[in-house]
Amino acid sequence: NAGVMQNPRHLVRRRGQEARLRCSPMKGHSHVYWYRQLPEEGLKFMVYLQKENIIDESGMPKERFSAEFPKEGPSILRIQQVVRGDSAAYFCASSDRGKAFFGQGTRLTVV
Amino acid sequence: ELKVEQNPLFLSMQEGKNYTIYCNYSTTSDRLYWYRQDPGKSLESLFVLLSNGAVKQEGRLMASLDTKARLSTLHITAAVHDLSATYFCAVDTNRDDKIIFGKGTRLHILP
Repeated sequence: NAGVMQNPRHLVRRRGQEARLRCSPMKGHSHVYWYRQLPEEGLKFMVYLQKENIIDESGMPKERFSAEFPKEGPSILRIQQVVRGDSAAYFCASSDRGKAFFGQGTRLTVV
Repeated sequence: ELKVEQNPLFLSMQEGKNYTIYCNYSTTSDRLYWYRQDPGKSLESLFVLLSNGAVKQEGRLMASLDTKARLSTLHITAAVHDLSATYFCAVDTNRDDKIIFGKGTRLHILP
C-alpha cells in the first residue's frame, strides 16, 4: 500500500506563472488535507476536501488559490499568478477519519 | 476557533536528560496527534491519542492526554542525539475533522 504521493517534489516557477501541485491519497482514504509550511514555521491549514467536495477552505487565500479532489484522479492544489511569498513547502495528508498520513511535500520556489 | 499552543517552541538539552513538551488546545476534540519532522522532510506520525487518560509509549517517547485540561504532553526520557527534530502536536475538531497544528517544538539534543 503506497503512502500519500505528492508530485512534483520540487517546483520552480517564475512570478506570474501557475503552479499545480498533485496529491494522491492512500488507498481507501477519502479525506485530503492541504497544508502550507513556511521555512522554520509550523503547518498552516489550507483546505480539507472529500471526493468532489470542499469541506473547509477557511485557510485558503481568497484569491489565486484553488483546490479540488475529483471523483477520479489526484487532488490538485492550484496557485495562479504565483508571487515570491508563495514559496513554501506544501504538504498533503490523507485519512480515513483515523490517523492522518502525510506525503513528502512539494517545495515550491518562486523566482 | 480551535487553537493549539505548544511550549516550549525551542529546546536545547543534553543527552541523557529528561524533558517534557506541552500542548494545550482550546476546544473539545476527538483526537490528538504527535508528529515528528526532520529538516527538509515530511511528517512522521508518532502517536494518536483518543481518550482522556490515554498514554502511549514508543522507545524514549511517551505521550499522554488529559481531555479535561485540554492538555497533552510528550515526555522524553534519557534523550539521545537521534531524537533531535521538530515535534508537532495536532488536534482535530469534533465538528468537521479539520486538523490544526501547533507551531512545533524544535528539539536539539547536544551529544
